[in-house]
Order: sequence, then structure tokens, then C-alpha cells
Amino acid sequence: EPEVTQTPSHQVTQMGQEVILRCVPISNHLYFYWYRQILGQKVEFLVSFYNNEISEKSEIFDDQFSVERPDGSNFTLKIRSTKLEDSAMYFCASSAVRALENYNEQFFGPGTRLTVL
Amino acid sequence: AQSVTQLDSHVSVSEGTPVLLRCNYSSSYSPSLFWYVQHPNKGLQLLLKYTSAATLVKGINGFEAEFKKSETSFHLTKPSAHMSDAAEYFCVVLIAGTYKYIFGTGTRLKVLA
Repeated sequence: EPEVTQTPSHQVTQMGQEVILRCVPISNHLYFYWYRQILGQKVEFLVSFYNNEISEKSEIFDDQFSVERPDGSNFTLKIRSTKLEDSAMYFCASSAVRALENYNEQFFGPGTRLTVL
Repeated sequence: AQSVTQLDSHVSVSEGTPVLLRCNYSSSYSPSLFWYVQHPNKGLQLLLKYTSAATLVKGINGFEAEFKKSETSFHLTKPSAHMSDAAEYFCVVLIAGTYKYIFGTGTRLKVLA
């Protein structure tokens, strides 16, 4: 069964460093997402991406964050200068072309745990 | 604004007894609602989804949920808990007209032998 994969599973970095989190969405999906979950808190939407551009983003997704689909398979989240409060589990998700109005099943990867020291 | 509220942060049941995980939603529109499960060190897996086709939705692993508009609820149930059901469960609403999911705070289910 196709699945979303993410690498690395755990990343430790120093404050101020840049990190890139990688995701390989399901191959025939066209919509891509990043979410994060700070320990003990809700899963929060960060950004959605379609047709090589951001379609929606949350207030969390500030200038420190960027997303890219550098080739036909990878989808990346870059944090330019990490802060302590960026420590969280980051989930990538993907979905197929919308078939029904107001319906969108997203498939999630296992997550990357980012620890900023 | 659309949102979901999961009423219990932790639920403990004995193996073989029924499971009830509660979720209430807030939406001006007919919502698209989902339940996801997260096992330790695993991704979020879709259990079931409500998209207005039927109010009683059956999902994987014997779970089901009933959409009740009058109560604005979408509670998740299972007749008989199994040890492997121990996990965190998230109720999720899709914001109408977008691809953005809003998650509830999660309910951690513990199954006692």
C-alpha cells in the first residue's frame, strides 16, 4: 500500500541553524501539506502546496519557513534559523485531486521529531 | 469558525469492553469530519470519515462513528476493545472550501488486560 515517508525520523540541531525536513508524498497525489505538533499540544496546520505554489498557510508559517518541491518526488520544509520553540514533531501529508466538494482525505507520514538545543 | 472539541484527554477501558471517544464539532456548514489514530512512533492513520453520505460511518478495525447534527457530535465507538487499540485518537474537521484540517486535542486510549 502506498504511503508517505519522511526523513529523518529525528533531527537534533542548534538554535540558529537551518534545517530541511524531507517528505516523499504518495506518487499520484498533487496536494501536499505540513503540520506540526509541539509536545503536549494539538496538531497544527502549517501550509498546503499545490501546483508548485503555496495555496494556504497559517500564521505560524512565517518568513522563517519555506516549502519546495525540488523534483518530482520530494517535498521539503525548510526552517531558516531555528528557534527553541520550533522543537516539535513535523508531519507531512498528501492528498489526491479533490473528487467531491468539501472532501479531502489526507495521508500522513510518520513524522520527523525536531529538537532544537 | 470551524473547530472540534474532544471531551476526554484520557480514556481507559478493559479489554473486551466498549470504547467511546467523544468529539463535538462547531461548523456553520455541513462538515467533513474524520477520525485519525496515532500509534507510538507511527504516522496518523485514517480510521473513518464523514462526508454526508451516511450518518453512521464504519471504519477500519471495527470502529464506527455516528454523525448527530442535533447534538453536533461525531463520537467514535467500538463494541469490544483490543489491546492493539491503545493509541492516541484525533477528531478532525476539514475547513469548508479549503484543504486545511483542524485537529482536536486528542484522546489517549488505554486498554487494560
